[in-house]
Amino acid sequence: DIVMTQSPDSLAVSLGERATINCKSSQSVLYSSNNKSYLAWYQQKPGQPPKLLIYWASTRESGVPDRFSGSGSGTDFTLTISSLQAEDVAVYYCHQYYSIPLTFGPGTKVDIK
Amino acid sequence: EVQLVESGGGLVQPGGSLRLSCAASGFTFSSYWMNWVRRAPGEGLVWVSRIKSDGSGASYVDSVKGRFTISRDNAKNTLYLQMNSLRAEDTAVYYCARISGSYGGVSDFWGQGTVVTVSS
Repeated sequence: DIVMTQSPDSLAVSLGERATINCKSSQSVLYSSNNKSYLAWYQQKPGQPPKLLIYWASTRESGVPDRFSGSGSGTDFTLTISSLQAEDVAVYYCHQYYSIPLTFGPGTKVDIK
Repeated sequence: EVQLVESGGGLVQPGGSLRLSCAASGFTFSSYWMNWVRRAPGEGLVWVSRIKSDGSGASYVDSVKGRFTISRDNAKNTLYLQMNSLRAEDTAVYYCARISGSYGGVSDFWGQGTVVTVSS
C-alpha cells in the first residue's frame, strides 16, 4: 500500500499570507507512460464533503480560485494557498489514485492566525 | 447539475448489517466508475471500495474485505454498499464519489454523506 504523509498537522496563517502544505508518498505515483503524477488535493470544511482542488499534482479543477496551486512530482508534493482567505479555513488532504488501495494523507488543518 | 445523494445510514448493533444507497443524477451514471469513501469521527478519509461502470471489477480496502459488497444498478442510477458483520470501527460518515474518466481516476464529485453508527 502507498502510505501518504502530510506536514504540518495544522497551521495558522494571517489573512492574505501564504499557506504551504507538504505531502509525501511512500512510493512514486508518477505514471511513466504519460508522465503524470496521480496525486490530488481536496479541501473539506465541517459538515461538507471533500471538494476536489487539484489533480495530476498541479492541474486546478474548474472553478477553483487561482490562489490554490499544486506542485511536485513522483513522491513529494506541495499545496500552496498564495493569499489565505477566511473561506479557506478547512482540512486539506492529499490523495494518491495511482494504485489500489487508494489512500489519503492524514489531513492538514488550516486556520486563521 | 450533478447530484449524489446517499441514504441508508443509521444506528446498528455490532454484527449487524446495513445497505447504503447512492442515487445519482445529472450525469450518465452508467459511464462512470464509482467509489465509497468514509471518514470516522476525528479521523481522516479512508477509501472503502470501487466499482467499474458496468458493475465488474470491484475492489476493497483490506479492513472490509469479506464483509462489504459494492454493487450498482445502472437502470436505477444507483450505487450500493452492503455492509455485514459491522464493527464499532466501521462507524463513520460514508460518501459515494464519482470517478472522473478524464482525470486519470480521481474522485471529482462527492455526495453529502450518510452517517453509520455501530454501537450496542
